Amino acid sequence: DSGVTQTPKHLITATGQRVTLRCSPRSGDLSVYWYQQSLDQGLQFLIQYYNGEERAKGNILERFSAQQFPDLHSELNLSSLELGDSALYFCASSVLGGPRNSPLHFGNGTRLTVT
Amino acid sequence: GIQVEQSPPDLILQEGANSTLRCNFSDSVNNLQWFHQNPWGQLINLFYIPSGTKQNGRLSATTVATERYSLLYISSSQTTDSGVYFCAVEAHWNSGNTPLVFGKGTRLSVIA
Repeated sequence: DSGVTQTPKHLITATGQRVTLRCSPRSGDLSVYWYQQSLDQGLQFLIQYYNGEERAKGNILERFSAQQFPDLHSELNLSSLELGDSALYFCASSVLGGPRNSPLHFGNGTRLTVT
Repeated sequence: GIQVEQSPPDLILQEGANSTLRCNFSDSVNNLQWFHQNPWGQLINLFYIPSGTKQNGRLSATTVATERYSLLYISSSQTTDSGVYFCAVEAHWNSGNTPLVFGKGTRLSVIA
């Protein structure tokens, strides 16, 4: 058990809908990262938060947004969903503001299916 | 951006065999980590190893940063070793707080 908790485990929704994925980092970790894993694109970095502030941004679509709350849990919001958004969404956490000198620990992921 | 190439893409082993997985990267790195994604999709951090050698049970890893590659050794493989092994790096030129870039992985199948 990595200590990173993601909910829900599975999500099935229709095109055009909006969903929220939730992540609780390991105790003591200040950084939260979101990654998307699809069959054709592999593991793609979306966004990182450190202690409530956005720290780095990757290939995140404008339809997607995220935030980290004062208790350090994070939410990833996906809106106007398309079939191509179907993927496994991972949250990871680390102690420091970047992965440098700080191993990354992943949650079990949320499998999103858009029909 | 930095490129990460892993080889081989697929590997099938008989239980008990040894294997070596390779990760090549295109730039100097500050950070290199190896992960195992098991058949249930869980991603497990195996090693944080920007340079040098580390061992953890039947697994060991070596990173030669000056030559831009890392190797993951699996000895006496077991069926539970099956899954995808990812190498992920952070480029040295980055000012910090940038994400790990993942390779496409090596898919390992260990047969009893």
